[in-house]
Amino acid sequence: KNEVEQSPQNLTAQEGEFITINCSYSVGISALHWLQQHPGGGIVSLFMLSSGKKKHGRLIATINIQEKHSSLHITASHPRDSAVYICAVETNTDKLIFGTGTRLQVFP
Amino acid sequence: KAGVTQTPRYLIKTRGQQVTLSCSPISGHRSVSWYQQTPGQGLQFLFEYFSETQRNKGNFPGRFSGRQFSNSRSEMNVSTLELGDSALYLCASSFQAGAYNEQFFGPGTRLTVL
Repeated sequence: KNEVEQSPQNLTAQEGEFITINCSYSVGISALHWLQQHPGGGIVSLFMLSSGKKKHGRLIATINIQEKHSSLHITASHPRDSAVYICAVETNTDKLIFGTGTRLQVFP
Repeated sequence: KAGVTQTPRYLIKTRGQQVTLSCSPISGHRSVSWYQQTPGQGLQFLFEYFSETQRNKGNFPGRFSGRQFSNSRSEMNVSTLELGDSALYLCASSFQAGAYNEQFFGPGTRLTVL
């Protein structure tokens, strides 16, 4: 079993839909990152959080440390949100472990 | 501020050769981490350098090595290349090392081993 699990693996949505991507982990962590990777490989860090909730524009990230679970929400999705979203956890030994990613396609 | 740059962007090598990849962090960042991304294994942590010292290492064989220079630029070397080393190699820089430091990723070097 992977130490970081993401679901779903693939997600398609119509423009305007509310999207949720989930991340569960089984190790002790000091922080959790949400990353966005566009075709071609470029990776952008979206959020870094260790508790609670963060919001940036249409993106919201939450984390529940007790349940070892985080969610990334996209409100009013747009075709430009189409990308792979990756959850990564920083372990207590300062190593980054990545989830397998969620491929999101938003159609107009 | 210029972002993280990686050179070269694309490389084609044959089995048994060795390769050196370069990463220039954002100005002022002292931590550089390297990652390998393959379709089968996803993103995996290779190593992290901070102030010219290897601070952390992932589970990769000794053929994978790296170093960091006094200007924080980092190089990664892979010797005796294998077909399975074909991957996108990403580096990321941050101001400090360790937990809760936002990482900024470079565009990656795509290595193909024939």
